[in-house]
Amino acid sequence: DGGITQSPKYLFRKEGQNVTLSCEQNLNHDAMYWYRQDPGQGLRLIYYSQIVNDFQKGDIAEGYSVSREKKESFPLTVTSAQKNPTAFYLCASSRTAYYGYTFGSGTRLTVV
Amino acid sequence: KNEVEQSPQNLTAQEGEFITINCSYSVGISALHWLQQHPGGGIVSLFMLSSGKKKHGRLIATINIQEKHSSLHITASHPRDSAVYICAVRQNIGTASKLTFGTGTRLQVTL
Repeated sequence: DGGITQSPKYLFRKEGQNVTLSCEQNLNHDAMYWYRQDPGQGLRLIYYSQIVNDFQKGDIAEGYSVSREKKESFPLTVTSAQKNPTAFYLCASSRTAYYGYTFGSGTRLTVV
Repeated sequence: KNEVEQSPQNLTAQEGEFITINCSYSVGISALHWLQQHPGGGIVSLFMLSSGKKKHGRLIATINIQEKHSSLHITASHPRDSAVYICAVRQNIGTASKLTFGTGTRLQVTL
C-alpha cells in the first residue's frame, strides 16, 4: 500500500547535537512538507519542496535544514541552532496544490 | 488573532450524541481540510472541501465560503470517534500549497 513512512517514531538527543528525521513516500507525490506541532498550538510549516532538488522555507525554518535529492525522500535535519527542538514532527505529501494531503505518523523528538 | 479558529477546544459527549465542531478562518483559501489526529500522533485526512457539503459514513462536513466558516458533524457518536479534530485551510503557492492549521478540538466520547 502507498503511504508515508517516518522514522523513528521516538528520538532522543542531547542538546547541541544535530539529528536527522526521515520521511519517505511511495505515492509518487511531487510536493512534500515538514510540519512541527507543539502542545496547544496548530501545526506550523518548517520547509516544503515542490520538485526534486528544490525546496523553500516555511514559517519557522530557522534551525532546520532539508534536502530533496530523490522524489521519494525529504529528510529534515534539526540543527543545534534550533532553540527549542523538542516537538512532534510531521511529514506530509501531496500530488499538487489541488489534491489532498497524506500525512506520516510523526516523529516525537526529545532533546535533553 | 489566529487565521484559523476552532471551537470548542474540548468536547465531551455520550455515545450516540450528535456532535458539531466549528471552524472560522480569516484568509482567502483554495480549500479547507478536516483532519483527525489519534493519541499516537498520526493524522488522517477526513475531508477536503472547497464548497458545499460532503458526507462519509457518520461524518458530514460543510463549508460557507462567503462567511468563511466550516462545520464538522458526527452523527451517532461512538467512543472510537475520540480524537483531536483539526481544521486546516489551504492556500496555493505555485504548484505546492500551504496549510494553516487550527489548534484542534479534543473530542472524548464516553459510553
